[in-house]
Order: sequence, then structure tokens, then C-alpha cells
Amino acid sequence: KAGVTQTPRYLIKTRGQQVTLSCSPISGHRSVSWYQQTPGQGLQFLFEYFSETQRNKGNFPGRFSGRQFSNSRSEMNVSTLELGDSALYLCASSLLGGATSYNEQFFGPGTRLTVL
Amino acid sequence: KNQVEQSPQSLIILEGKNCTLQCNYTVSPFSNLRWYKQDTGRGPVSLTIMTFSENTKSNGRYTATLDADTKQSSLHITASQLSDSASYICVVSPKTSYDKVIFGPGTSLSVIP
Repeated sequence: KAGVTQTPRYLIKTRGQQVTLSCSPISGHRSVSWYQQTPGQGLQFLFEYFSETQRNKGNFPGRFSGRQFSNSRSEMNVSTLELGDSALYLCASSLLGGATSYNEQFFGPGTRLTVL
Repeated sequence: KNQVEQSPQSLIILEGKNCTLQCNYTVSPFSNLRWYKQDTGRGPVSLTIMTFSENTKSNGRYTATLDADTKQSSLHITASQLSDSASYICVVSPKTSYDKVIFGPGTSLSVIP
């Protein structure tokens, strides 16, 4: 069974631009969660999608948004990029529930975003 | 304020030795507590998941314990291997859906020959 895949793996953007990251969950998984990881703040929860609906959202500004498609694939968009958005963006899939449930989460390798 | 703290921040041990990592949390009530292993440049991998009513959970050489009264969890690694070198992250998920999952800062473990 293929694991969670994320594209692209690396991305370099400049301030003010926008970016879209993609996540393909494990086949059959309906929940996709997104996380930001930085050296200073560690891992932080962005949002979770389940069956195309956002089920939970972290404390990030509205510049961070996401969506999930009918095939469970998910995209995350960041508009008007800032230097502080440079981070490793991870997505995780689970069968039914996200981090607040007992379902095991499987993480992808992440997308390394650098904002210049 | 919900918080998760981990100690030590970093640890160096000899191959074959055992070690114990600590996690203290203030999240209450909580749904589950997880331990993840994250190799450099890769996504975290789940080691154990425990609900508030579980005391211990094992996964091979990894054993997690939970004391809900003192709000402490520990991860014990037995007979360490070089491949155990990684960051170990404690994660506490609140019971209510409107609270956010809280990640600990992680413990960086280095296993040397």
C-alpha cells in the first residue's frame, strides 16, 4: 500500500507570492491533517479535513487555507507569503479521525518551503 | 493554558543502553497521548497511542507509560540501536474538538557506537 505522498518536496518562493501544496493520503483514508514545523515553534496543527469538510482548524491566519477533494486528496494554500512562513509542511492521513481521535496518523515526507 | 513539555531536550547514549524520555502535560481532559519518532528531514512515525485510561503501551523496544494523575508520560527505549537516533515527540490531543492538538518540543536522541 502506498504511503502518504506530498508534492512538491521542495519549494522556493518570494515574499508576497502564494503557494499551493498537495497531499495524497493512503488509499481508503478519509481524514487529512496539515501541520507546520519550524525550528522555533516545533510542530503546529493547521487544519483537518474529513470527507471534503474542514473539521478542525488551528490558530493560523486566514492566509492559510485548504480544501479536500472527493478522492480525499488535499491541497493547502498560503497567500501573501511572509518570511516566517518558511517551514516544513507535513500532512497526515488517517482512516477516519485526526489527532483528536484514537486513529493512527500516517505522515508524509513533507514539503520544505523557503520564502525569500 | 494547554502545554506539553519534554525532557531532556537532548540526550546522547551508547549503543545497547536503555534510556527514558519524559513528557509532562497540562492538557485536561485529553483524548489520547501519542509518541512519535521523527528522523531528520522526514515525517514523524507513530510509535504508541494511549487513551487516558491506559497505563502502558509497547511497540517492540519502545514502551510508553502514562500516569494521568500526575499528568506524566515516559517513553522507554530498550537496547538502543544507532537507528534510534532521532527526535521523539510527545503529542497530546484534547477531548474536545474545539481545542487543538498540542505537540511537545521533542527530545533529540543520539545513539553512538
